[in-house]
Formats: sequence, C-alpha cells, structure tokens
Amino acid sequence: KQEVTQIPAALSVPEGENLVLNCSFTDSAIYNLQWFRQDPGKGLTSLLLIQSSQREQTSGRLNASLDKSSGRSTLYIAASQPGDSATYLCAVKGDRDDKIIFGKGTRLHILP
Amino acid sequence: DTEVTQTPKHLVMGMTNKKSLKCEQHMGHRAMYWYKQKAKKPPELMFVYSYEKLSINESVPSRFSPECPNSSLLNLHLHALQPEDSALYLCASSQDFSGTVDTEAFFGQGTRLTVV
Repeated sequence: KQEVTQIPAALSVPEGENLVLNCSFTDSAIYNLQWFRQDPGKGLTSLLLIQSSQREQTSGRLNASLDKSSGRSTLYIAASQPGDSATYLCAVKGDRDDKIIFGKGTRLHILP
Repeated sequence: DTEVTQTPKHLVMGMTNKKSLKCEQHMGHRAMYWYKQKAKKPPELMFVYSYEKLSINESVPSRFSPECPNSSLLNLHLHALQPEDSALYLCASSQDFSGTVDTEAFFGQGTRLTVV
C-alpha cells in the first residue's frame, strides 16, 4: 500500500527566503507525482506535475524534483512571499490503477 | 477550460435527508474522483470512475452512493448521513494515462457539507 509522507508538517519563514518542502513515498511504482496548493477551506490548485520519467519541472518561482528510485520529491520555492502562505500537498498516482494518494501536507506561513 | 465545477458550494442537511452533490468537467477526462477532506487532514479517496464505470470504492459506507450519468458528470448521493460525515467533499478529474502525456489531475473547489 502506497504511503506518502511530507516533512516538515509546518514551516514559518521570513519573506524573501528560499525554502524546500519534502515528500517521500514508499512504492516507487508511480506514474506521476503532483504538487498542490490549498488555501483554508478551498479546493486544490495544481502547481506542478512530474511524470515518472522526468527529473524536474519548473513554473515561475517553483521547482519540483523527483527521484523515483529513492521515493523522494522536493518542492523548491524561491524568494518566498506572504501570498505563498498555504498548505502544500504532494500526491502520487500509481502505475497500476487510478488511485491518487496524498501526503498530510506542509502548512507554510511566510512572515511579512 | 481546465475547470472542475462542483455544486452546491455549501450544504446543510439533517440526518434523515437525501441530498446530492454534483461535479462537472468538460476537459474530456475519462477518470473522475470523489474525495473527502476533514479539517487539517489530507484528502481521502472515496471513489474513482473510469469511462463512466466505478473502478475503485475505498470501502465507503453505503450511505454514500456515487453515480456517473455521462462522461462529464459525477454525482454523489447522500442518505442518512451522520454528523461525523461533515467535511469538504472534493471532486477531481484526470486524463487517461494510456498513450497520452497529460495526466494532470484537476480539482474542484469542493462542497462544504454539514450534517446536523
């Protein structure tokens, strides 16, 4: 059974800092990995999708990497801003079925 | 259009009521999902439909009944719910991974359900 773990559970940093969020998964037989952002009480916004054959994806100040063999992904946020404050969720889709399994998320707070 | 639309946004229902949640997407996605999310917890998979057929049921109680009337619509019928079923219910859709590149999952804004 796939298990997804995110570290840290919560993070507070001053505005302008670069930061890294971590995600690990137990079953390397994945089809893709997706990072989402969720604001309180809202739905999920897709940030980056990495296919299992890819090593990284970039969008603006965000960069996500994937090491499938070691079961790890990182989300790098450059020059953080107060508007980046949200919960960041990592989700893994297996290559045997359609299940998308989530980690518990990292609650990020950027201090002005 | 990369939008998944859920209605209603908020729903309050009694334990004897019958209600339905609705989800719609027009991206031609063949896989559609229902997730349940409690406060400060990650989304928890309930059901997956593939090509309008139920492919995954994560041992969800029968008081939750999914339905996929066509390739764009997904419903979740609710009956005799309990207060602990109060949560944010999220719908998602994704493309067929067989032979295609784009497999990104898109989520709706959710229905906030309160059972009284």
